Amino acid sequence: EVQLVESGGGLVKPGGSLRLSCAASGFTFSSYSMNWVRQAPGKGLEWVSSISSSSSYIYYADSVKGRFTISRDNAKNSLYLQMNSLRAEDTAVYYCARDSHVDYWGQGTLVTVSS
Amino acid sequence: QLVLTQSPSASASLGASVKLTCTLSSGHSSYAIAWHQQQPEKGPRYLMKLNSDGSHSKGDGIPDRFSGSSSGAERYLTISSLQSEDEADYYCQTWGTGLWVFGGGTKLTVL
Repeated sequence: EVQLVESGGGLVKPGGSLRLSCAASGFTFSSYSMNWVRQAPGKGLEWVSSISSSSSYIYYADSVKGRFTISRDNAKNSLYLQMNSLRAEDTAVYYCARDSHVDYWGQGTLVTVSS
Repeated sequence: QLVLTQSPSASASLGASVKLTCTLSSGHSSYAIAWHQQQPEKGPRYLMKLNSDGSHSKGDGIPDRFSGSSSGAERYLTISSLQSEDEADYYCQTWGTGLWVFGGGTKLTVL
């Protein structure tokens, strides 16, 4: 059974940093591209970042470019999102998701940016 | 620019059928999309990948009541024999080189 479990969310002050993790199991992690998708309270889904299976290709939404860094460790079956210079508008549930057409989702982790 | 357009809301009666629409922006009519369901207070769930020729592959455990079809730049999700648990937000999603896009979502109300 495919499982994606996010962790690392929490309350952080504007300008602060946070690192999200996603633990994957039930599939060959190293064979799939992975994504981070977020959802602000009461809003729709927003793509944040994607990374190819071997980390050769990395992409970011304009809203996070230069502040967020996606990475993965295929040996640990883990995906990460380093978030720096956080803003109030980054407040959202962050989901880890598999593949281009997002065929599996994690349960999400809440990030709240507030003073 | 790659954009997906969805109607904000739709409604249909219990036991009836409903067809939701997702429209690809001009010049992108050949793109495949995915449909996702988000029930209230839950995370999203993958329903299916839908190709431009109408062929589709559904996610694990998705009932036969859910089907997809395509016509030009339009991508459709049809839900038949509507049940109360089908009341949810439905998002379409597509991808290109270095870009992933979600539609704004359609809130489906089951009457």
